[in-house]
Amino acid sequence: KQEVTQIPAALSVPEGENLVLNCSFTDSAIYNLQWFRQDPGKGLTSLLLIQSSQREQTSGRLNASLDKSSGRSTLYIAASQPGDSATYLCAVYGNNRLAFGKGNQVVVIP
Amino acid sequence: GAGVSQSPSNKVTEKGKDVELRCDPISGHTALYWYRQSLGQGLEFLIYFQGNSAPDKSGLPSDRFSAERTGGSVSTLTIQRTQQEDSAVYLCASSLRAPGAYEQYFGPGTRLTVT
Repeated sequence: KQEVTQIPAALSVPEGENLVLNCSFTDSAIYNLQWFRQDPGKGLTSLLLIQSSQREQTSGRLNASLDKSSGRSTLYIAASQPGDSATYLCAVYGNNRLAFGKGNQVVVIP
Repeated sequence: GAGVSQSPSNKVTEKGKDVELRCDPISGHTALYWYRQSLGQGLEFLIYFQGNSAPDKSGLPSDRFSAERTGGSVSTLTIQRTQQEDSAVYLCASSLRAPGAYEQYFGPGTRLTVT
């Protein structure tokens, strides 16, 4: 069974600092990895998808890397803003499903 | 274009009653998924539909849970004889097809409260 771990569970950073969120997974037989954002009481918003053959993906201030062989992904958010405050979820796709970590709860302090 | 929609957004029901939750996927998406999110368990997979293939029901927690997908589009998740532990947010997602490197798009969810 795929196990996805996200550390740290929660973090606070001052506005303007770069955010680094880590995700690890136990089974490297995945099709892709997605990073999502979830605001309180809301659904999931897809941020980035990295295919299993890719090493990284970028969108604006967001950059995600994937090292499938070691079972790790990192999400970088450059120059954080208060609007980046949310829970970030990592999920890997395999066996007909996404397996999710429990998330990184981020607070960006103005 | 329109995203994934779910109804109702909130549902309060008494223990022992049956409930139906509805999902409208993005038009043209052949893969549809149900997940649920609860405080203790995080996000967990329930069921997966792909086109006309038999669904993967391996995530359903008990035989009180069932789902169908009509005409390859709308899906209904039914929970019979609801229990308090069924209280959670039920999320539906769709993707262009599966398996593969296709992004999943999520609906806003249905918050189910069993009293």
